[in-house]
Amino acid sequence: KQEVTQIPAALSVPEGENLVLNCSFTDSAIYNLQWFRQDPGKGLTSLLLIQSSQREQTSGRLNASLDKSSGRSTLYIAASQPGDSATYLCAVRPIHTGANSKLTFGKGITLSVRP
Amino acid sequence: GAGVSQSPRYKVAKRGQDVALRCDPISGHVSLFWYQQALGQGPEFLTYFQNEAQLDKSGLPSDRFFAERPEGSVSTLKIQRTQQEDSAVYLCASTSPGTETSNQPQHFGDGTRLSIL
Repeated sequence: KQEVTQIPAALSVPEGENLVLNCSFTDSAIYNLQWFRQDPGKGLTSLLLIQSSQREQTSGRLNASLDKSSGRSTLYIAASQPGDSATYLCAVRPIHTGANSKLTFGKGITLSVRP
Repeated sequence: GAGVSQSPRYKVAKRGQDVALRCDPISGHVSLFWYQQALGQGPEFLTYFQNEAQLDKSGLPSDRFFAERPEGSVSTLKIQRTQQEDSAVYLCASTSPGTETSNQPQHFGDGTRLSIL
C-alpha cells in the first residue's frame, strides 16, 4: 500500500528565508506527484504537478523536484513571504488504477513565515 | 462556474441524522472524486465517478455512505445515521480527462465541514 510521508509536521521561518519541504513515498510506481497548498478553512490549490518522466517543475518562486527511484520529492520556496503561510500537501497518483486518477496524500506541512 | 463548488460549507447534525453534501464540478469535467479530510490529516479517497458511472467506491468507510452522480455533472454524497467519527471536511475534486495516462491536475472545492454532535 502506498504511503506518503511529510516531515516535519510544522515549520516556522523568518521572512525572506529560502526553504525546502520534503515528501517521501513508498511505492515508486506513480504517474505523477502534485504539490498542493491549503489555507485554513479552504480547499486545496494545485501548485505544481510533476510527471513521472520529469525531474522538476518551476512556477515563480516555487520549484518542485522528483526522484522517483528513491521515492522523494522536495518543494523549494525562494524568498519566503508571510503570505506563503499555509499547509503544503504532496500527493501521488499511483499506476495500476486505470482511468481512476485518485490521489494518495501526505498529512501536510504547516508553514508559518514570520514577518 | 469557474471552479468546483460545494454546498453547504458547514453542516451540523445530531448523531443518527442523515446528511447530503453537494458538489458542482467544473463544467465539462468527466472525472469527479470525493475525499474525506479529518483534522490534521491529509485527504483520504472515498469514491470516483467517470461521468455518471461510479467506478470506484473502495474508500467509502461503511454502507452508511452513498454517492451518486445521476446525470454526469452534479454529485451528492449522502451519509445515513451519522456517527461522531463522520465529523470531517468532505472535499470534492474534478478533472477533465478520463484516460489512463492523463496528467491533468485535480481541482478541489472548498469542502463541506461536517460536525456531528
